[in-house]
Amino acid sequence: QVQLQESGPGLVKPSGTLSLTCAVSGGSISSSNWWSWVRQPPGKGLEWIGQIYHSGSTNYNPSLKSRVTISVDESKNQFSLKLSSVTAADTAIYYCARVAVADSITDYWGQGTLVTVSS
Amino acid sequence: SYELTQPSSVSVSPGQTAKITCSGNILARKYVRWFQQKPGQAPVVVIYKDSERPSGIPERFSGSSSGTTVTLTISGAQVEDEGDYYCYSAPDNNLVFGGGTKLTVL
Repeated sequence: QVQLQESGPGLVKPSGTLSLTCAVSGGSISSSNWWSWVRQPPGKGLEWIGQIYHSGSTNYNPSLKSRVTISVDESKNQFSLKLSSVTAADTAIYYCARVAVADSITDYWGQGTLVTVSS
Repeated sequence: SYELTQPSSVSVSPGQTAKITCSGNILARKYVRWFQQKPGQAPVVVIYKDSERPSGIPERFSGSSSGTTVTLTISGAQVEDEGDYYCYSAPDNNLVFGGGTKLTVL
């Protein structure tokens, strides 16, 4: 069973950079899947942030693209998210997920971590 | 951009059948996944590829598709099935989510 676990600071100052890591266990990050970040502001719906393939190929939400960087570390079996110039609107629960490229297998999600942007 | 539409809430009594729909034009050519979300827990995929059930998911969870609408059915819903259910799809190297449905089993 693949498991994902997010980690990182729970509080970030406005104009700072949000940095999160997702550790993958029970499976290889070098497998043929997309490794994704999704967020959910309090009381609101889900928003896709972006994703990365183990080769380093990335796709980002156009609305966040100028501020987002997603990277992968195959040696540590983990991937990371950086979101720059944060404001209170970036306060949310951040989830990492393994999104299957093949239709024949399921996806897995991390538990999520709350990041608050406040001074 | 693509949109997926779900009812905001569904309510059933224990043992009844709950149906949650997900509608969107993209569903005519892309599969849907469904996940269950409970507070403080990792979202759990209960259906993928419109109607496939991952190992460990109870048989009472099933999915079906017709045109641009996909339906998640919980036959004989249990109190522990309460939670938020989201449909999502991966149309163009991105993810698109429905607005979520709060299922109450009471």
